[in-house]
Formats: sequence, structure tokens, C-alpha cells
Amino acid sequence: SAVISQKPSRDICQRGTSLTIQCQVDSQVTMMFWYRQQPGQSLTLIATANQGSEATYESGFVIDKFPISRPNLTFSTLTVSNMSPEDSSIYLCSVEYVSSEQYFGPGTRLTVT
Amino acid sequence: SQKIEQNSEALNIQEGKTATLTCNYTNYSPAYLQWYRQDPGRGPVFLLLIRENEKEKRKERLKVTFDTTLKQSLFHITASQPADSATYLCALDDRAAGNKLTFGGGTRVLVKP
Repeated sequence: SAVISQKPSRDICQRGTSLTIQCQVDSQVTMMFWYRQQPGQSLTLIATANQGSEATYESGFVIDKFPISRPNLTFSTLTVSNMSPEDSSIYLCSVEYVSSEQYFGPGTRLTVT
Repeated sequence: SQKIEQNSEALNIQEGKTATLTCNYTNYSPAYLQWYRQDPGRGPVFLLLIRENEKEKRKERLKVTFDTTLKQSLFHITASQPADSATYLCALDDRAAGNKLTFGGGTRVLVKP
């Protein structure tokens, strides 16, 4: 299994600002993902973070709103841009190994006021 | 349309009894199905993966069944303990979308002493 950390663990942000969330893994992994979990809801995949190339976004999510970086096989960032209260959510990164199971970070709880 | 359905009502169960959770899916042909546990304020934790050609899988007090004809998985916690109280999520891969994981809404389990 992997040890995954995320920073910050939580933040309260003003409308219109941006927040960058970091995800660090203790070993090299090929597959890394970003999810959103809105209050009382399940997880929704935002994008797959690809090392060395642009992220692959799911329907309903765009690069201008959620730019993602993946400079190496152990680190990724997700930026939530021009935030509105609707972006209040928990944001989670995860990694997947060959066995297809995913390991999740502890999440970043974002509140937009 | 595609759906993954879990009972949204919380399952209240007496300590020592078996908790049984259901995951039904529509318009998916998954190669495998996974179960995760999520505690409040934390990321999901992988529990079990069962493949399409497997009928049943066990891990300690956990048992999962997978019926691709009924398009259903059952998740059992035997000899339940208060520490088993959590939300349990099923997730399956979507072959049509590059084997990405899609999560159900989760079922909250509360084990009473």
C-alpha cells in the first residue's frame, strides 16, 4: 500500500480566489487521480493526472477551472480556480497500483465563503 | 443511463450480528468490483476487490459476493463490532471509459453495542 499526504488538510477561502492542493506519495506510481466529494455525496472523478503530459478531465470538469500538474511520479497538484461557494467540497487524490485497487489521501476540506 | 445504487438509508445493527450491504449496477460491464470503507473526515480505505469470474471473496470478517447476472454485489460484515461503524462504498470499473472507477453513493453502517 501507499502513504499519501495532502496539503492543506482544510482551508476557508474567499470567493474569486484560487487554492492549490498538493498530493505527495511515498513511492513512484503511474496512475494518480483527483476526486471531489461534495457534502453527503459520493466521490466524483475530476481528472487523471498524467506524468509529463496534460491531465485527462472527466465530463463536466475543465482545465481552466481545475488545472493539474504532475511533474514526477510521486507528486501532483490540483488548483481550484476562481472559486465559488459551489466548489465547497472535499478534494481527494488517489493512486492506483497494478492490482487496480486505489489508495486515497486524507482529503482537503475546502470551504468557500 | 449508468447507475450504481447502494441503500442510502443507514443500516443500524446490533453488535455481533451480520451486516449485509447491497450494491446494484445498471449498464456497466465491470471486470471487477471493489468495496471501500470511509470514516468521517477521512479518505476511503480499500477493503476488497472481486473479479467478474469470482463468485465470492473473504477477508477476515468480511465477505463479498458478485453476481454478474443479477448485476449485484453483496458485502457482509460478520460478528459486527462498534468499530465497524462507517460508510461503505462500492466501486466498479467502467470498461467503456478506460477502466476508471465509478463509486456508488455509499451506505452508512452503525453498529450498536
